[in-house]
Amino acid sequence: SYELTQPLSVSVALGQTARITCGGNNIGSKNVHWYQQKPGQAPVLVIYRDSNRPSGIPERFSGSNSGNTATLTISRAQAGDEADYYCQVWDSSTASGVFGGGTKLTVL
Amino acid sequence: EVQLVESGGGLVQPGGSLRLSCAASGFTFSSYWMSWVRQAPGKGLEWVANIKQDGSEKYYVDSVKGRFTISRDNAKNSLYLQMNSLRAEDTAVYYCARDPGSSWPLDYWGQGTLVTVSS
Repeated sequence: SYELTQPLSVSVALGQTARITCGGNNIGSKNVHWYQQKPGQAPVLVIYRDSNRPSGIPERFSGSNSGNTATLTISRAQAGDEADYYCQVWDSSTASGVFGGGTKLTVL
Repeated sequence: EVQLVESGGGLVQPGGSLRLSCAASGFTFSSYWMSWVRQAPGKGLEWVANIKQDGSEKYYVDSVKGRFTISRDNAKNSLYLQMNSLRAEDTAVYYCARDPGSSWPLDYWGQGTLVTVSS
């Protein structure tokens, strides 16, 4: 089955740029989606199909995907960006959804 | 406004059964795939199952195959998850999510319902 690998945690200084990676075999050939989850809340979609932002998501959130790594980039990080972030793809070989293990973002 | 409201969670003994429901509103329910995703306490997200618009296709994560059944009633704008032979490792918050289909994201999520499997 397809696997996605994320770092357990990422720290970023207030106002700086955070990058959260999602590794998978030839992930560049798949559409990657990113979700933000704050404590006690449901996940919220922040990036879809590699680099697209849903309405209402700040332009500070961006995404890229190439080779074996997809990346979520959060520019000018704010305290309100502290959350767990999950990448997700659809595995066509098993017709199933796959999530990465999640990354806890800390804004210092 | 899209709304998804789960219900049916609770405490159940190992080996028991539970049926979760998800009431959908604010969109044409019959036009979308729907998914269930779960999250064990303190753990990450795990996709559980999804179902095609007309119910003709259903897919499951390996760990629930043969024990869980996803279904829907388009006339009632409702999604269901029948969970049998429950195990302690099924303890989780279960979310329903709108699923536009392959290569698209889960774009709307409910607030979740907690299932606890314990004696």
